[in-house]
Amino acid sequence: EVQLLESGGGLVQPGGSLRLSCEASGFTFSTYAMSWVRQAPGKGLEWVSIISDNGGDTQYADSVKGRFTISRDNSKNTVYMQMNGLRAEDTAVYYCAKGSGGGYPQSRNFDCWGQGTLVTVSS
Amino acid sequence: DIQMTQSPSSLSASVGDRVTITCRASQDIGNFLAWFQQRPGKAPKSLIYAASSLQSGVPSKFSGSGSGTDFTLTISSLQPEDFATYYCQQYNSFPLTFGGGTKVEVK
Repeated sequence: EVQLLESGGGLVQPGGSLRLSCEASGFTFSTYAMSWVRQAPGKGLEWVSIISDNGGDTQYADSVKGRFTISRDNSKNTVYMQMNGLRAEDTAVYYCAKGSGGGYPQSRNFDCWGQGTLVTVSS
Repeated sequence: DIQMTQSPSSLSASVGDRVTITCRASQDIGNFLAWFQQRPGKAPKSLIYAASSLQSGVPSKFSGSGSGTDFTLTISSLQPEDFATYYCQQYNSFPLTFGGGTKVEVK
């Protein structure tokens, strides 16, 4: 059974940093692209970032470019999101999502989601 | 960026009703369109990819159609567990974008 377990969320002050983790199991992690998607309280879904199966290619939403960095450790079946320069508008539940494949376009099609971790940016 | 517009933003329906949700893309996305269901307080669940292909394990009461810029999600016979918010998403190009959601409520 595919499982994605996010962790690392919490309360942080504006300008602060946080690192989210998503540990995967139940599939061959190194052959699938992974993404982060967020949802502000009471709002819709917003794609944040994607990383290719081997970690060599990444893409970001403009709203986080230059502040967030996605990475992965295939030996640990884990994808990360380093979040710097956090702002109030980054407050959201952050989900990791598994691509349905490693290549185009399957990498961008999400077939499994984690339960999410809440990030709150407030003073 | 490709804008995804869903309509309606909410609808009221009864158990057994047939429900149709529309999603329009601001430019041609081929069939690179997915649909997700999100129940309150839960993570999204993948329903459909490539506009009309059912994800594994998703019941056949869900169906998708369309290509280019206009897409639909249909639930053939609404059940209590189907009252939720539904989102479309294009994966033709970056940034990946979602529609604003359609909340399906009990009439």
